[in-house]
Amino acid sequence: AQSVTQLGSHVSVSEGALVLLRCNYSSSVPPYLFWYVQYPNQGLQLLLKYTSAATLVKGINGFEAEFKKSETSFHLTKPSAHMSDAAEYFCAVSDRGGTSYGKLTFGQGTILTVHP
Amino acid sequence: EPEVTQTPSHQVTQMGQEVILRCVPISNHLYFYWYRQILGQKVEFLVSFYNNEISEKSEIFDDQFSVERPDGSNFTLKIRSTKLEDSAMYFCASKGDSTSGNTIYFGEGSWLTVV
Repeated sequence: AQSVTQLGSHVSVSEGALVLLRCNYSSSVPPYLFWYVQYPNQGLQLLLKYTSAATLVKGINGFEAEFKKSETSFHLTKPSAHMSDAAEYFCAVSDRGGTSYGKLTFGQGTILTVHP
Repeated sequence: EPEVTQTPSHQVTQMGQEVILRCVPISNHLYFYWYRQILGQKVEFLVSFYNNEISEKSEIFDDQFSVERPDGSNFTLKIRSTKLEDSAMYFCASKGDSTSGNTIYFGEGSWLTVV
């Protein structure tokens, strides 16, 4: 079974500050890892994904995440927060095919607030 | 960019009524999913569909739920007799084959309120 834990349900940063959203996963097989963003009253938009190529993955809007197998982590970072980054962020894991057919297991989400 | 589209965006229904949520997945995709998100909670997997049959379902997906791909383009979720606890945002999603990177693309969601 797979699981995802996002540390901190709410993170608040100042505009221009570093954004760090934490995600730890548990998987019995090598995982695919994803970060999705959900803006208010909208659907889930893919930010970035790790699928076994480079461990440092760059996504849209200046976000990046690093896969650390030894720490079972996939933390999301952005060097300088913008007001438009305020949203809820979800980390998700799936296995690499096989019987799960790519089913995603989500973390509980982290709401990012950006202060002027 | 191709996208997953869902209708309706919002629906209010009486408890006990049947509801059908509709989705048009990305056209060359092979795997189809429904997820739901109860207000304030995490996004939960409901069901996956491949090769015209359910490939996996969660314990949430009981006999009150069914899915169908009636015409090769639409993918529907039916709830036969809605309960108050079915109130949630329902997301349709689709995925191509492994050559497309195994990314699951989500629709904007259908917000269901059961009263």
